[in-house]
Amino acid sequence: GAVVSQHPSRVICKSGTSVKIECRSLDFQATTMFWYRQFPKQSLMLMATSNEGSKATYEQGVEKDKFLINHASLTLSTLTVTSAHPEDSSFYICSAGLTSTSTDTQYFGPGTRLTVL
Amino acid sequence: LAKTTQPISMDSYEGQEVNITCSHNNIATNDYITWYQQFPSQGPRFIIQGYKTKVTNEVASLFIPADRKSSTLSLPRVSLSDTAVYYCLVGDRDQAGTALIFGKGTTLSVSS
Repeated sequence: GAVVSQHPSRVICKSGTSVKIECRSLDFQATTMFWYRQFPKQSLMLMATSNEGSKATYEQGVEKDKFLINHASLTLSTLTVTSAHPEDSSFYICSAGLTSTSTDTQYFGPGTRLTVL
Repeated sequence: LAKTTQPISMDSYEGQEVNITCSHNNIATNDYITWYQQFPSQGPRFIIQGYKTKVTNEVASLFIPADRKSSTLSLPRVSLSDTAVYYCLVGDRDQAGTALIFGKGTTLSVSS
């Protein structure tokens, strides 16, 4: 299947600092990538849709100035959590879609565990 | 997107067949049904996708009745490593370019 990677896998930072998370589609190109957030014991919550070469589309309640998304190429999208606070601690997951003759679905990265002290 | 309803949790023993049913009464004509598996601290993993009747791959089978208002994921002879959360999603064929909206999922616990 298609492979999506994320880096770093886990990060611990101090309150007030910014953290950048990378999402890469390793063996296919993705015009659109998606960012999700997942709190413990809860389901994935869509944060934003990342479009290559254009501005991201944010879900209601997600602050675009706090969660900066850049989709500079067809294989890379980045999420920057600016001025992180403890309540931003969560599991961040990206996904990218693949269209083929046999399936038409999304593949997810392994996730990034962010802990803000 | 059509809303889905799944059991919150299920318990099973190793070697048993597990069937998880998902209800999607408002499924649209163009909607496909996709199941994902998620282990703790990992991203969801695609299991199977179907439109109607039966789909089978190396890990699971997906049964979809004629009215498509529900679907059943069948896991044959589960093992301890199948303990995970399973999500049923319904959406347009172009799921590659469409954000997926996750429900609560079904937590499957497999015991020895």
